[in-house]
Amino acid sequence: TQLLEQSPQFLSIQEGENLTVYCNSSSVFSSLQWYRQEPGEGPVLLVTVVTGGEVKKLKRLTFQFGDARKDSSLHITAAQTGDTGLYLCAGAKGYALNFGKGTSLLVTP
Amino acid sequence: DVKVTQSSRYLVKRTGEKVFLECVQDMDHENMFWYRQDPGLGLRLIYFSYDVKMKEKGDIPEGYSVSREKKERFSLILESASTNQTSMYLCASSGSREGYEQYFGPGTRLTVT
Repeated sequence: TQLLEQSPQFLSIQEGENLTVYCNSSSVFSSLQWYRQEPGEGPVLLVTVVTGGEVKKLKRLTFQFGDARKDSSLHITAAQTGDTGLYLCAGAKGYALNFGKGTSLLVTP
Repeated sequence: DVKVTQSSRYLVKRTGEKVFLECVQDMDHENMFWYRQDPGLGLRLIYFSYDVKMKEKGDIPEGYSVSREKKERFSLILESASTNQTSMYLCASSGSREGYEQYFGPGTRLTVT
């Protein structure tokens, strides 16, 4: 059951540009997590947001949880080639997580 | 740091073979999960376990079974591999709190010919 929709599906930008990735749902989640996955590897947790309206910053990455806890966004400032990867959002449902299909980001020099 | 290891990074099996994928975590986590990841379909939950010898079906359990005899180890079994089970298999573990962050292994790329 795919409860989370991520957009855009693909994004190709140049180094130094800013970007925003969105994660939307009609369901309310107790928490929402963002992961980054590099080719051939497992996803790595970036952040967890719990409170509606919460904003968390991780260096150049800013994560926001919607007031109603149904959606989230990830903003990257001054993207670098090392930001390339698949960004996944996941909403908590009991012990399990429901994952979006991801946004594939390519940052070119 | 949490470490989740998977027995193989790459595996090639023939149709009809029985396949075992092993996952071990070193953080004393209660919950363990098996996913498969396919292009365009994202991560889909196959099974998860919230305690030793306990298991719950995920979204796509058909054709798979699991075993958890020890807390740190969670095995995924393909009873009779088929070509449509060619995929990337990812194991994850998490603590006891609901919705707790999951920590993933590096994945096993399984090809069934």
